[in-house]
Amino acid sequence: EAQVTQNPRYLITVTGKKLTVTCSQNMNHEYMSWYRQDPGLGLRQIYYSMNVEVTDKGDVPEGYKVSRKEKRNFPLILESPSPNQTSLYFCASGSGLDEQFFGPGTRLTVL
Amino acid sequence: AQTVTQSQPEMSVQEAETVTLSCTYDTSENNYYLFWYKQPPSRQMILVIRQEAYKQQNATENRFSVNFQKAAKSFSLKISDSQLGDTAMYFCAFMKHVRSYKLSFGAGTTVTVRA
Repeated sequence: EAQVTQNPRYLITVTGKKLTVTCSQNMNHEYMSWYRQDPGLGLRQIYYSMNVEVTDKGDVPEGYKVSRKEKRNFPLILESPSPNQTSLYFCASGSGLDEQFFGPGTRLTVL
Repeated sequence: AQTVTQSQPEMSVQEAETVTLSCTYDTSENNYYLFWYKQPPSRQMILVIRQEAYKQQNATENRFSVNFQKAAKSFSLKISDSQLGDTAMYFCAFMKHVRSYKLSFGAGTTVTVRA
């Protein structure tokens, strides 16, 4: 089954404790992206990757890091999480031609 | 930067009736893509319908159709014969062109279908 998976689905952590949210896709897509969803703001792009070892900033990259060492994986790293990073996070992938496929979302709470 | 505006935070519709969600966008591009995504309570993002700007014909997917007005930069979604399963948040999204790979989203409209 073609899909984008994210782990964990839910995470509660404390300020300053490094965390990684994993994202994996099995559709051989070149493009992968991370979004955060906040009430009243819709989804905003954090980082994206156009291929292995090629990443770039989206609209809200501060406080986040990414890497793309393999085509299928695109982890999101929060080196020192803060409460303003409490949000719902989505990973997405696509061929770049039209539709993006979204993962199930990760609900992150930073205390 | 592209901006997408959804001016209706919430809408309610009776089952079997029709509801129309509005979306406007701002861009200087000539070729681009527009999308409507549905997010039910499960939080999964589901593509409802897409429209390529170079196509004048409005896209239709079963009970979902769009009214694309390029000059007015308007992209509304019509849900006909509303069903309880249509209850969700709906997001309008813009993509600049093929391989730009950046979706710009509106704030969303919550649609509630009443039995």
